[in-house]
Amino acid sequence: KAGVTQTPRYLIKTRGQQVTLSCSPISGHRSVSWYQQTPGQGLQFLFEYFSETQRNKGNFPGRFSGRQFSNSRSEMNVSTLELGDSALYLCASRPGGQGRYGYTFGSGTRLTVV
Amino acid sequence: DQQVKQNSPSLSVQEGRISILNCDYTNSMFDYFLWYKKYPAEGPTFLISISSIKDKNEDGRFTVFLNKSAKHLSLHIVPSQPGDSAVYFCASPYGGSQGNLIFGKGTKLSVKP
Repeated sequence: KAGVTQTPRYLIKTRGQQVTLSCSPISGHRSVSWYQQTPGQGLQFLFEYFSETQRNKGNFPGRFSGRQFSNSRSEMNVSTLELGDSALYLCASRPGGQGRYGYTFGSGTRLTVV
Repeated sequence: DQQVKQNSPSLSVQEGRISILNCDYTNSMFDYFLWYKKYPAEGPTFLISISSIKDKNEDGRFTVFLNKSAKHLSLHIVPSQPGDSAVYFCASPYGGSQGNLIFGKGTKLSVKP
């Protein structure tokens, strides 16, 4: 079956702009989480959505937001981009609930802010 | 404050030998751990996990050991292969929910032929 799909793969934006990243989870998966990977901070949790509701949120400013649609696809938005937002943004999906199942990650979107 | 620590940024091993990747944690409430492998330009891939009710879990060439008293776990790869060259992340779910994984900063493993 198809894996987690993230689009676009690469993105270059100018400081001050906003950006929207998309994630299509594995079919049947209802939970989608977003992570930011940077060389200095490693992998950090942004937020998790389950059945269109934000279930958990990491320690990021309000410029970072997300949503989930009824088909479980998710988008994250970053407004007023800063140079420090340059990172690999990873989306991960899992079936849902509180089961002990490892997430399946997408290949990520590489965002460069100039 | 890092709750999951991987103190070795890199490790180099000869093909066929054992690779041992280490991970320490500070939060005694963590009761489940996962290892992920990541190649450049790809997302992390789930490798193996362990619950705190066990001290060892094995899957093929991969074995994870958990020492709860020391708050330490390790991933053993035997025998190591060049295709194992990647960055390995240790992670634990915060608050018992896998909706929020706390990751270590990773160890880059290089397996030389």
